[in-house]
This record gives sequence, C-alpha cells and structure tokens, in this order.
Amino acid sequence: KNQVEQSPQSLIILEGKNCTLQCNYTVSPFSNLRWYKQDTGRGPVSLTIMTFSENTKSNGRYTATLDADTKQSSLHITASQLSDSASYICVVSATGGGNKLTFGTGTQLKVEL
Amino acid sequence: GAGVSQSPRYKVAKRGQDVALRCDPISGHVSLFWYQQALGQGPEFLTYFQNEAQLDKSGLPSDRFFAERPEGSVSTLKIQRTQQEDSAVYLCASSHGQGENQPQHFGDGTRLSIL
Repeated sequence: KNQVEQSPQSLIILEGKNCTLQCNYTVSPFSNLRWYKQDTGRGPVSLTIMTFSENTKSNGRYTATLDADTKQSSLHITASQLSDSASYICVVSATGGGNKLTFGTGTQLKVEL
Repeated sequence: GAGVSQSPRYKVAKRGQDVALRCDPISGHVSLFWYQQALGQGPEFLTYFQNEAQLDKSGLPSDRFFAERPEGSVSTLKIQRTQQEDSAVYLCASSHGQGENQPQHFGDGTRLSIL
C-alpha cells in the first residue's frame, strides 16, 4: 500500500526565514512525487512534480529534492513570506496507477511577522 | 472560467438525504478525479474518469457513493442516504492527458456537512 509521512506536522517561522519540510514515502513501483500547497478553504495547487530521474526541481522560492534510494523528499522554502502560510502536502503516484495520487497529511506552515 | 469549478461550495444535509455534487473540469481535460478530504487530513482518492469511462472506482467507500461523467465533461458525485461520516470536503481535479506525470488541477471543493 502506498504511504506518505510528513514532518513536522506544523511549523511557525518568522517572515524572511528559510525552512525545510520533510517527506518519507512508500510507493511501488515509483512513478512521481509531487508537492502541493493548500491554502485554507481552497483546493491544492501544484508546486513541483519529480520523476525517478530528477533529484531536484525549483519553482520560484520553492525547491524540492528527491532521494529515490532512501525514499525521501524535502521542500525548501527560501525567504518566506506571509502568503506562504498554508498546508504543504507531499504526494506520490505509482506506475500503472492511472495517475491516482496518494497524499500525505501535510505540514501546516505559519509565517509570522 | 479557466479553472476547475465545483458547486455548491457548501452543502448541509440531514442524515439520510441524498446529495449531488457537481464538477466542471478545465475545458478539454481528458482525465477527472474525485477526492475526499477529512478535516486535518490529506485528500483520499475516490474515483477516476478518462473521458466518459470510469476506469477506477476503488476508493469509493460504499455503494452509497456513485459518480458519473456521461458526456466526458461535467461530472457528478452522488451520495445516497448520507451518514455523518460522509462529512468532508469533496475535491475534484482534472488533467489534460492521461499520462502518469500529468499535473492535476484542483477545484476549491464542496464542503459537505451531514447533521
């Protein structure tokens, strides 16, 4: 069964600081790993999608890494802004799964002044 | 609009009533997905359509849940004889193609509350 575990569960940082969110996953066979941002009351928005051959991908101030050997991924946020306050969800997909996604429970990030 | 549209945004129903949730995907998107998101949890897969064909309904929690996409565009998720445990946000997503690395674009969901 595909599984995703994220840490920390929640995080509070000051505006302008950097942070890194962690994801451990179990999926077989691996197809891709995604990071989504979900604002309260809104649907998830895609940040990055990485396949097996990619070990890093950036989208503005967001940089995701993937270690397929240890089955770990991280999302690094640089120079945080108040608008970064949201839930960040790690998502995996298995080959042959028809693009069916398995979501983690997310890391709730709050950026404060 | 340019995005995935879901209606209603909020739905309150009494236990035992039937409800219908609508999803308008992005125009031209072949694939459509329904997810259920409980409070404080990540979304969980319910069902998947490719055009009008329902290719995977393995995530539907019971036979009270039924989804359709008769013309390969708009989709409806129907829940019969609702129970309190059906209270959740129901998210719809669409993607342009059927490849496994296609990004999925989500609507803002329907928040269903069963009293």
